[in-house]
Amino acid sequence: QVQLVESGGGVVQPGRSLRLSCAASGFTFSSYGMHWVRQAPGKGLEWVAVISYDGSNKYYADSVKGRFTISRDNSKNTLYLQMNSLRAEDTAVYYCAKDKGLFHWGQGTLVTVSS
Amino acid sequence: SYELTQPPSVSVSPGQTARITCSGDALPKKYAYWYQQKSGQAPVLVIYEDSKRPSGIPERFSGSSSGTMATLTISGAQVEDEADYYCYSTDSSGNHRGVFGGGTKLTVL
Repeated sequence: QVQLVESGGGVVQPGRSLRLSCAASGFTFSSYGMHWVRQAPGKGLEWVAVISYDGSNKYYADSVKGRFTISRDNSKNTLYLQMNSLRAEDTAVYYCAKDKGLFHWGQGTLVTVSS
Repeated sequence: SYELTQPPSVSVSPGQTARITCSGDALPKKYAYWYQQKSGQAPVLVIYEDSKRPSGIPERFSGSSSGTMATLTISGAQVEDEADYYCYSTDSSGNHRGVFGGGTKLTVL
């Protein structure tokens, strides 16, 4: 069955960087686009970024464009989110999700940006 | 930027039909997707491509879309259906950016 496991979250100071990972299994990872979605504490879902199956196309929400970079390593079945210049408002649970319809989600990893 | 609009809350009694709407200018051209999120859990897809139901989702969940509005219908809502529901789609500008509605808290009591 499809399994997505996020990791890399934690507490980080404003202005610093963090890289999230999403390990995928149970499907042919290299055939599907992948997304990152986040949810601030007590708030709704916010779409963050998408990457095509081969990594050639990437799109971002305005709120993270220029600071976050989505990437993937199909040889390792792993999706990444490099987050730079982090702000307090980036504090959220970050989920990875599979395919254009976000058919499957991981359990999320919490990122807290605080001094 | 593109927005999807949902009512903040819907309340029904058990066995009644709950309808949650999602409005957006691009919905005539783009599919709507619906997710259920229970407290402390990751979202789960309940409807995709406007009206299709993934395997394992009860038949009481259905979806429709007409014009600029998509609707999630839960026929004979159960207490266990109490959750937050989010619609999702992409804008029509071709930039493939996703967007979520603000979410609707469904109360079944």
